[in-house]
Amino acid sequence: AQKITQTQPGMFVQEKEAVTLDCTYDTSDPSYGLFWYKQPSSGEMIFLIYQGSYDQQNATEGRYSLNFQKARKSANLVISASQLGDSAMYFCAMAGSARQLTFGSGTQLTVLP
Amino acid sequence: KAGVTQTPRYLIKTRGQQVTLSCSPISGHRSVSWYQQTPGQGLQFLFEYFSETQRNKGNFPGRFSGRQFSNSRSEMNVSTLELGDSALYLCASSGAGDRSSDGSYNSPLHFGNGTRLTVT
Repeated sequence: AQKITQTQPGMFVQEKEAVTLDCTYDTSDPSYGLFWYKQPSSGEMIFLIYQGSYDQQNATEGRYSLNFQKARKSANLVISASQLGDSAMYFCAMAGSARQLTFGSGTQLTVLP
Repeated sequence: KAGVTQTPRYLIKTRGQQVTLSCSPISGHRSVSWYQQTPGQGLQFLFEYFSETQRNKGNFPGRFSGRQFSNSRSEMNVSTLELGDSALYLCASSGAGDRSSDGSYNSPLHFGNGTRLTVT
């Protein structure tokens, strides 16, 4: 069984500052992938970044980076230079040997001008 | 490339009725998955289809069913609707052959805008 825990229901950040969204996971799969998605109020799930369990380096995609600490089973998302358009719900998710995602409960991020 | 298309965007149904939701994946994608999103339960996996075969199924009652056609388009059906079926239903597609060397899936699911179903 897989479990994703996001302990921050809501977060506020000032525009242009960096913010870290927390994600911890638990799984019995020996190999797995970790994903972050953004869901604006429109409802669409937008893929942000991926980290494989055997990847040695932390993933980065533009202003997004994933702080992967395997021993601690954490996969935190770091957004640098926040923009007003970053305000949305953010979900951490995991996939193991089966192509199905287990999602966390999400973090509502609000960027303040 | 066109994204994942879900129709309709909004649906209002009455308890006891049935509903069919449609999903057209990204061209070339053969895997289609369905997820239910509710405020109380969050995002939950319903099922996944690949080449017209159901590969995985989540923990939902038999009232929830789906199918995939030869062109990879998928439909999801919910029979005997209950108030608790009110939710955002998200469809996602992904390509084949996207496993990492360690066996885990490494390509993201691409989601549609969802169908918001309200059961009254």
